[in-house]
Amino acid sequence: RKEVEQDPGPFNVPEGATVAFNCTYSNSASQSFFWYRQDCRKEPKLLMSVYSSGNEDGRFTAQLNRASQYISLLIRDSKLSDSATYLCVVNVMDSNYQLIWGAGTKLIIKP
Amino acid sequence: DVKVTQSSRYLVKRTGEKVFLECVQDMDHENMFWYRQDPGLGLRLIYFSYDVKMKEKGDIPEGYSVSREKKERFSLILESASTNQTSMYLCASSTPTGKPFFGPGTRLTVT
Repeated sequence: RKEVEQDPGPFNVPEGATVAFNCTYSNSASQSFFWYRQDCRKEPKLLMSVYSSGNEDGRFTAQLNRASQYISLLIRDSKLSDSATYLCVVNVMDSNYQLIWGAGTKLIIKP
Repeated sequence: DVKVTQSSRYLVKRTGEKVFLECVQDMDHENMFWYRQDPGLGLRLIYFSYDVKMKEKGDIPEGYSVSREKKERFSLILESASTNQTSMYLCASSTPTGKPFFGPGTRLTVT
């Protein structure tokens, strides 16, 4: 079982719809969590951190469920420009520091 | 504005050549990482460094070595390039427990 799992998609979603992704993690020593966005042939860029109480940035909402060990990303009123691959990453602090990446979820917004 | 730069965006090398990929960050980050990314395989960690002259093997270190003589610079070396090392190479840096920032990537082709 992978340490961080994401549905690879692609998610084909009409413009204006709401879409949600989940990312599950297996290591209970996971301490911090982030969502990244990666456009085709570009580097991943930070979209948002994920806080225990949940956090929102415009149309994007991130949530953390420690009991069930997953994080989620919700995109409301999706735009064509939201088409990208969304990566989750988990910072694990057990014997040493590790960043564990999900393989990414591809999102395609259709007009 | 945070910045991670990589020495080349595109590189074409011949089988057997020694290849140097350089990465420089201006954020005084302790941690630096080298990943490769191939379609369908996500980000795979090659090596990381948490301090000058310190290095740790990642998931796929075979065929690679690294050098970190100064805090801001982390070099990836392919001692004898092979065609299966054709890939996108991404450098990143972070604070000890923080979110990583990526360089623009080097697309390496080995012929």
